Amino acid sequence: DTEVTQTPKHLVMGMTNKKSLKCEQHMGHRAMYWYKQKAKKPPELMFVYSYEKLSINESVPSRFSPECPNSSLLNLHLHALQPEDSALYLCASSAQGFYGYTFGSGTRLTVV
Amino acid sequence: EDQVTQSPEALRLQEGESSSLNCSYTVSGLRGLFWYRQDPGKGPEFLFTLYSAGEEKEKERLKATLTKKESFLHITAPKPEDSATYLCAVQEAYGGATNKLIFGTGTLLAVQP
Repeated sequence: DTEVTQTPKHLVMGMTNKKSLKCEQHMGHRAMYWYKQKAKKPPELMFVYSYEKLSINESVPSRFSPECPNSSLLNLHLHALQPEDSALYLCASSAQGFYGYTFGSGTRLTVV
Repeated sequence: EDQVTQSPEALRLQEGESSSLNCSYTVSGLRGLFWYRQDPGKGPEFLFTLYSAGEEKEKERLKATLTKKESFLHITAPKPEDSATYLCAVQEAYGGATNKLIFGTGTLLAVQP
């Protein structure tokens, strides 16, 4: 299995809602990442997990809360988001060291 | 701070018209340079990894090359299905084996039949 699977593919949520994005990989990768991508912009790094521990937080607002329950799963918990948080949220994984990332297809999030 | 700049921002080609995309970078120590293809609304798809100056990689109509300051993605005789955004990224070491990919702004390629 050489895929990163993200669910849901689309999500519409109100500013008072709580929702979660899910990411799963079965390639044995021990590094996992969350990126945010706005329209016509490159992906921007949010969080890096290495061996299930948070190793990089790129000054992301606390309304985004990542979680890595095990080596195959990565969640992003969302609470009290703003309309400007609407974007494509991408999950990626990689082997430890300097290797390329495998990206999922993303979750298109719309905050209303 | 590491920087990645891509040019041109957009490129329109006729089918069969070869061209090159540029990615220039400034990094304190290059761990790897990556090329990705991204279709609208999809995640980036890995194309190539280059690690050292002089290295070249090929895949079908695409060829990536690397110098000490830039990388080129050469597209030979493109087809309409090559239309996509091409992203260049450099790998920045953070500590230990942790690293992060820093993306350039991309080149939007449109190939017309």
